[in-house]
Amino acid sequence: QSALTQPRSVSGSPGQSVTISCTGTSSDVGGYNYVSWYQHHPGKAPKLMIYDDIRRPSGVPDRFSGSKSGNTASLTISGLQAEDETDYYCCSYAGSYSWVFGGGTKLTVL
Amino acid sequence: EVQILESGGGLVQPGGSLRLSCVASGFSFSGFAMCWVRQAPGKGLEWVSGISGSGDNTNYAESVKGRFTISRDNSKNTMNLQMNSLRAEDTAIYYCAKALYGGLEYWGQGTLITVSS
Repeated sequence: QSALTQPRSVSGSPGQSVTISCTGTSSDVGGYNYVSWYQHHPGKAPKLMIYDDIRRPSGVPDRFSGSKSGNTASLTISGLQAEDETDYYCCSYAGSYSWVFGGGTKLTVL
Repeated sequence: EVQILESGGGLVQPGGSLRLSCVASGFSFSGFAMCWVRQAPGKGLEWVSGISGSGDNTNYAESVKGRFTISRDNSKNTMNLQMNSLRAEDTAIYYCAKALYGGLEYWGQGTLITVSS
């Protein structure tokens, strides 16, 4: 049950794109098409941004997109906006009603 | 509208016990897995425990296995987390979430557990 690996921080200027990576193993990220991404403002409930590796819940802007190759998933945020600045977490289903999160990435909009 | 509300948080001494509850509405509760996720102060999100829709299947993070027990009462749209032998490192905000395999779709606002003497 090792945590997925994310960069501790990423940054970009308004209007630019940033990508956050999430590396796991064949037992989680690479073993299922069930990676999800969450936006988490401190003190608030985490918000699902991407599920099933690439799908976007209704209401999430299409500036947010997910992808995956092998044991590494990625979240790309295009057209960066000031309100995107917060923490982002990846998560993967790991079988038998268990999930594993990444360590989290702090996004700074310069 | 989906609503999820946790309760039962508070201050407890090391070695003590606490029972968290999560009440959900706005969806067919018994049809979905649920889970608990926590965030310790200054730390990231950590999956704690999951339970199938029927309640027949459960799983736990290694950090809580043998100390925490997850359960659900589908007649009351409620999920519980019995936490025993609490440690300082269990101090965290505990979130309840509606779980799909592919993502934790809806979350509650969380309840704070503080383990301290």
